[in-house]
Amino acid sequence: GAVVSQHPSRVICKSGTSVKIECRSLDFQATTMFWYRQFPKQSLMLMATSNEGSKATYEQGVEKDKFLINHASLTLSTLTVTSAHPEDSSFYICSAMRGRGTDTQYFGPGTRLTVL
Amino acid sequence: SQKIEQNSEALNIQEGKTATLTCNYTNYSPAYLQWYRQDPGRGPVFLLLIRENEKEKRKERLKVTFDTTLKQSLFHITASQPADSATYLCALGGSSNTGKLIFGQGTTLQVKP
Repeated sequence: GAVVSQHPSRVICKSGTSVKIECRSLDFQATTMFWYRQFPKQSLMLMATSNEGSKATYEQGVEKDKFLINHASLTLSTLTVTSAHPEDSSFYICSAMRGRGTDTQYFGPGTRLTVL
Repeated sequence: SQKIEQNSEALNIQEGKTATLTCNYTNYSPAYLQWYRQDPGRGPVFLLLIRENEKEKRKERLKVTFDTTLKQSLFHITASQPADSATYLCALGGSSNTGKLIFGQGTTLQVKP
């Protein structure tokens, strides 16, 4: 199967600090990776689409300077939450796709971010 | 704007019965629809994909229907088991080839032994 990992699984940080979350496809090359956030009992909200070697495409309302995405290789994408605030506390989930279009998205286990 | 509705109330059923979950959408013409399972504190796991020109898809105890006229998909789990207890998400994909999905808020299924 296709396995996607995320690190860390949980992080607690102070307000104003930056936090980096890694998303790795372990046994396949991901042409596209997606970043989502999910609030309790709510849907997954797409934040951005990340293609290897190019700039991420952000969804409307998502601040690109606050949520920095880097897709340095076909197996790694990172999301950096800069100058985190308590309202950034959420469950962040990445997914990876092998191909394009209707190909299945394989999700990571998620990262729980708590900003104090 | 595009809207996806899944029953926000939890569905409680007895083990062995068939669970039926509903996904309705408006202001959208998806090229395909996917169903995912999500356990608490975990990422979603892909279950089934059905395309706009398909009426029904089956995989083991799972069955999905897709009615583009009614703008509705039904997700069935037959012979349900307590291990099927989870939140089930439907997600719509467009024809733009980007792979982007729009997710519903999910329905929590509780199967009682």
